[in-house]
Amino acid sequence: EPEVTQTPSHQVTQMGQEVILRCVPISNHLYFYWYRQILGQKVEFLVSFYNNEISEKSEIFDDQFSVERPDGSNFTLKIRSTKLEDSAMYFCASSAGTSSYNEQFFGPGTRLTVL
Amino acid sequence: KQEVTQIPAALSVPEGENLVLNCSFTDSAIYNLQWFRQDPGKGLTSLLLIQSSQREQTSGRLNASLDKSSGRSTLYIAASQPGDSATYLCAVYNTDKLIFGTGTRLQVFP
Repeated sequence: EPEVTQTPSHQVTQMGQEVILRCVPISNHLYFYWYRQILGQKVEFLVSFYNNEISEKSEIFDDQFSVERPDGSNFTLKIRSTKLEDSAMYFCASSAGTSSYNEQFFGPGTRLTVL
Repeated sequence: KQEVTQIPAALSVPEGENLVLNCSFTDSAIYNLQWFRQDPGKGLTSLLLIQSSQREQTSGRLNASLDKSSGRSTLYIAASQPGDSATYLCAVYNTDKLIFGTGTRLQVFP
């Protein structure tokens, strides 16, 4: 069964460093998402991406964040200058169509630890 | 702004009990609603997806219902087992994103 994959599973970085989190969505999906979950808190939406553009973003998704689909298979989240408060689990998801009517499928997550 | 609340926040029960987990949302104009399971430090496992035109979905010992007009969903777990111990999240589909509740942390003891 097709699944969303994410790498790495755990990333440790120093404050101020840039990190890139990688996701491979399900191959025929067209909509892509990033969510994050700070330890002990709820899962929060960051950004949705369709047709090589951001379609919606939350207040969390400021200028320090960017997303890219560099090729036909990968979807990346970049944090330019990490802060301690960026430590969280980051989940990638994809769906075949707009999530108004299509299920989102989630990857296993990348745990980001900022020291 | 859509808010999703889950009650109770935590639940501890003996094995074999039937359970009801509650989820409420403030804006009834949702599309789908989905229930997830999350084990400590792990990812999200999808349990059930209820489309807006449906009133319930069943999978094994799990049954989820949806009442859009009252802004409520319930997850019913029959004959609970220690392996059911986890956090259960509900999430509503709102335009192009999911809005998650804070979860119910369930512990089932032998």
